[in-house]
Amino acid sequence: EIVLTQSPGTLSLSPGERATLSCRASQSVSSIYLGWYQQKPGQAPRLLIYGASSRATGIPDRFSGGGSGTDFTLTISRLEPEDFAVYYCQQYGYSPYNFGQGTKLEIK
Amino acid sequence: EVQMVESGGGVIRPGGSLRLSCAASGFTFDDYGMSWVRQAPGKGLEWVSTINWNGDSTVYGDSVKGRFTISRDNAKNSLFLQMNSLRAGDTALYYCARVRSNSGKGSFDYWGQGTLVTVSS
Repeated sequence: EIVLTQSPGTLSLSPGERATLSCRASQSVSSIYLGWYQQKPGQAPRLLIYGASSRATGIPDRFSGGGSGTDFTLTISRLEPEDFAVYYCQQYGYSPYNFGQGTKLEIK
Repeated sequence: EVQMVESGGGVIRPGGSLRLSCAASGFTFDDYGMSWVRQAPGKGLEWVSTINWNGDSTVYGDSVKGRFTISRDNAKNSLFLQMNSLRAGDTALYYCARVRSNSGKGSFDYWGQGTLVTVSS
């Protein structure tokens, strides 16, 4: 079973700043099987990034993903007020298709 | 417009059974794998199960294996989750999600709004 560990647990930043979220896998994951999701309170998750670095339909280009092997990152280049939410990574290449525990991005 | 609408949630006693449904529209249903993901109150996302496009390949999370069964009816554009031997730990909002591949190995690109299952005596 591949365990995903996200850090930090909570990230406090101001609008306009750059956010870097980390997702570390307990064993190597093929980049094509790593995704990132955003979830706002009371809403369903939304796919941001698939294949580690490809933006999903309609996702602004301030969101970017990178990494390989066991270390992956989600970067938000300049935070907008609507970006403050919880972010999850997920690997979907090897069952169980686990999610990380999430990073809460909050307004400083 | 792609849409998934879950139904079938409710309050159920421990040991009981429940069948969730997900009605899909706005896309060619049998071109995609489908999944169930749950979220306990105030907690993170937990993957539950995934089925491929024609139903002949299914996978489950360890916490539900042997108790839950995923299935689909492509003629009715519907996904199901049969949940047996329910426990308090199964209490969660259950989401239906489309998988970005027909094999079931893909990211989850569209989600429903969820149906709430509460297991309580």
